[in-house]
Amino acid sequence: ETGVTQSPTHLIKTRGQQVTLRCSSQSGHNTVSWYQQALGQGPQFIFQYYREEENGRGNFPPRFSGLQFPNYSSELNVNALELDDSALYLCATHTGRENFQETQYFGPGTRLLVL
Amino acid sequence: AQKITQTQPGMFVQEKEAVTLDCTYDTSDQSYGLFWYKQPSSGEMIFLIYQGSYDEQNATEGRYSLNFQKARKSANLVISASQLGDSAMYFCAMTPYGNNRLAFGKGNQVVVIP
Repeated sequence: ETGVTQSPTHLIKTRGQQVTLRCSSQSGHNTVSWYQQALGQGPQFIFQYYREEENGRGNFPPRFSGLQFPNYSSELNVNALELDDSALYLCATHTGRENFQETQYFGPGTRLLVL
Repeated sequence: AQKITQTQPGMFVQEKEAVTLDCTYDTSDQSYGLFWYKQPSSGEMIFLIYQGSYDEQNATEGRYSLNFQKARKSANLVISASQLGDSAMYFCAMTPYGNNRLAFGKGNQVVVIP
């Protein structure tokens, strides 16, 4: 167990709706990254938050947005849901020290189905 | 941009045998890190092993070892003495120095049979 939790575990929405996914960081970790994993694919980086500021973004449209709170927990918001947004959404946390040897610890994920 | 390639089809492995999972990568970065994660059917990504691009020795973590060949840009994972609980998807990932944004391959499916 990594200490990273995500909620909800499963979610069903319809096209056009909005969704908020939540992630709580492992103790001592001030950086959260979000990834989208479509069926049969590897995870794709969405964005990263460091000390409540966005710190890098992958190739995702602006309807994917996020927040990080003072306790370093984080939210991923997706507006105007599309069928292709159906995926497993993973968050990962680490301490944010500036070296590439950081290991990211993942939560169990939220499975989103858009109908 | 980084690209990770994992092209092996699904693999069946006899319990207690070793298995090697292939990973090749492409990057223009001089400094980078390579990771392997395990993803059981439950979905959680479990960190297995890390290799830095400047590490001269291959990384080992218990039954996991990484066969790192920098010139060939390959980072193969070796799992020794396979156990039934090793049945999962295995993902190779990398991140360039400093940004900690993982780029993943498509994964290798491993099924361990008794």
